[in-house]
Amino acid sequence: GAGVSQSPSNKVTEKGKDVELRCDPISGHTALYWYRQRLGQGLEFLIYFQGNSAPDKSGLPSDRFSAERTGESVSTLTIQRTQQEDSAVYLCASRPGDSRVSQPQHFGDGTRLSIL
Amino acid sequence: GESVGLHLPTLSVQEGDNSIINCAYSNSASDYFIWYKQESGKGPQFIIDIRSNMDKRQGQRVTVLLNKTVKHLSLQIAATQPGDSAVYFCAENPGGFKTIFGAGTRLFVKA
Repeated sequence: GAGVSQSPSNKVTEKGKDVELRCDPISGHTALYWYRQRLGQGLEFLIYFQGNSAPDKSGLPSDRFSAERTGESVSTLTIQRTQQEDSAVYLCASRPGDSRVSQPQHFGDGTRLSIL
Repeated sequence: GESVGLHLPTLSVQEGDNSIINCAYSNSASDYFIWYKQESGKGPQFIIDIRSNMDKRQGQRVTVLLNKTVKHLSLQIAATQPGDSAVYFCAENPGGFKTIFGAGTRLFVKA
């Protein structure tokens, strides 16, 4: 598709289970970001990938969170042993990778994660 | 990023009036600024951007003003419509790929 695609759109799971969230960026976008957005709050940076460079993981809140990206395409965010505090919308964004010219990020509609 | 919990700053305007949403940014090295609009259940959507070599930029019904002296950014929406009701985020780029988002302002448009 033309935009950033995220799946699933909604996920409900029990505390302690692992979850995997998927992001398909816009074709040709080498930079990819993950954010967390709690209800009524702003965007909390989690991680970003740029081409073959080492990802910036500085925003991951704990070692239960990890993310991978295959080349310059799909990315998955994995949360292990989920806690109720992980309930939030997880947003993915992508942008072209030319760092010489700043450009806006393009966002998907997110995965709404609910931990029971 | 910053967070104001469940109490996002709120702006309520009458339909047809002009709206002004303000944002204070944090990094004096930032050279690129963006405004996003987020509707309920959707991801943030790009509205308009401005680079630090400008102090004003106009789009369709929207204008962004940049005051680097006081590190202030504003978004002006002309003739506000019910469809403009959303949360608006400012964002700054201090270089490279990192983007810093503001806490957001909720705009209510009264019919």
